[in-house]
Amino acid sequence: AQSVSQHNHHVILSEAASLELGCNYSYGGTVNLFWYVQYPGQHLQLLLKYFSGDPLVKGIKGFEAEFIKSKFSFNLRKPSVQWSDTAEYFCAVNPIGAGSYQLTFGKGTKLSVIP
Amino acid sequence: GAVVSQHPSRVICKSGTSVKIECRSLDFQATTMFWYRQFPKQSLMLMATSNEGSKATYEQGVEKDKFLINHASLTLSTLTVTSAHPEDSSFYICSARTQSYEQYFGPGTRLTVT
Repeated sequence: AQSVSQHNHHVILSEAASLELGCNYSYGGTVNLFWYVQYPGQHLQLLLKYFSGDPLVKGIKGFEAEFIKSKFSFNLRKPSVQWSDTAEYFCAVNPIGAGSYQLTFGKGTKLSVIP
Repeated sequence: GAVVSQHPSRVICKSGTSVKIECRSLDFQATTMFWYRQFPKQSLMLMATSNEGSKATYEQGVEKDKFLINHASLTLSTLTVTSAHPEDSSFYICSARTQSYEQYFGPGTRLTVT
């Protein structure tokens, strides 16, 4: 079965700092990749996704992620974080051709941005 | 993005009773919906995949007779927690899959069993 690893449980940054959250998955085949964000008290929202094509994908609110197939990674980045980016971030993987559309989630990374 | 609603947002019930949670896709049709459970400070755990017009597919370890799922239409799936016990207290989240394979999540239902 596939698994998703998020390296950091809790990241604390000052405003304007750069962000990179790691995500690695274990699945040998083709995958769809997602980053979801959960702001305090709110539900999961799709931040960005990769299906195919350019491995550098841009999402909402200035976030981007890069798919590196050889490293089985899909790291999330933002050049300059804001206090409003404080949230929990989940990486998710959907294997293609596995006969289902299930998402496997990482355990999440909590981001705290200090004003 | 697409909108998914859940009702109720919070429910408190007594041990031994049953609780029904509704999940609706408001502006799109979803042939597939998913039910997750989220424990405090943990990720989402997939409980089952709900397919419109057919039986749900449950993940290993999830009791299908306890967590009844019905996907009666392309916009509605329901999860019924039968004979609820305190250990069933959790945050239940549904999602609906679009035709482009994106999943949109509902706001979740906080279930507390006393």
